[in-house]
Amino acid sequence: AQKITQTQPGMFVQEKEAVTLDCTYDTSDQSYGLFWYKQPSSGEMIFLIYQGSYDEQNATEGRYSLNFQKARKSANLVISASQLGDSAMYFCAMRISSASKIIFGSGTRLSIRP
Amino acid sequence: NAGVTQTPKFRVLKTGQSMTLLCAQDMNHEYMYWYRQDPGMGLRLIHYSVGEGTTAKGEVPDGYNVSRLKKQNFLLGLESAAPSQTSVYFCASSSLSYEQYFGPGTRLTVT
Repeated sequence: AQKITQTQPGMFVQEKEAVTLDCTYDTSDQSYGLFWYKQPSSGEMIFLIYQGSYDEQNATEGRYSLNFQKARKSANLVISASQLGDSAMYFCAMRISSASKIIFGSGTRLSIRP
Repeated sequence: NAGVTQTPKFRVLKTGQSMTLLCAQDMNHEYMYWYRQDPGMGLRLIHYSVGEGTTAKGEVPDGYNVSRLKKQNFLLGLESAAPSQTSVYFCASSSLSYEQYFGPGTRLTVT
């Protein structure tokens, strides 16, 4: 069965520090994609970064990078130099190509302290 | 270019009433999805569609029906609302291999 696990319900980080949000996944498919979304208190879902299962390089988008460890089935999000505006819920998600659907983890609430 | 829009934004229903949530996208995406988000539960997939005229069940399809008569629209119906269906409903669309674009959400309360 396909599953996304986020084991950190909440995290507190000092402003300007780097933070790693954990995500592990389970699938028997060889072709899949991994995503991270941010949901601020306003409620909208904002796409942050994508990693394909065949991508050899870790994905990066500005201050966001995805630490993809295929053998360990982990896809951790790293935010460098955190800002107050990074306070939000963060969701890890997986698209299973054979099923054409995306499943989400339960999320991590990140709070940045000034 | 409006992206993904949802109608209505808020709704209060009494138990047993019916309603339809409308999702529209103007990006010519093949795939469309309906999720519900409950506190502490993340997003759970209700139904999805891989193209006009097709629908499929997600993780939590019971109590909901969907239709995709036009490529740009994906309707979610509640035939007989129950308090357990109180939630925030998100619609999303995507092309084959890329990220999903989400609508702003519909906050539904069933009393």
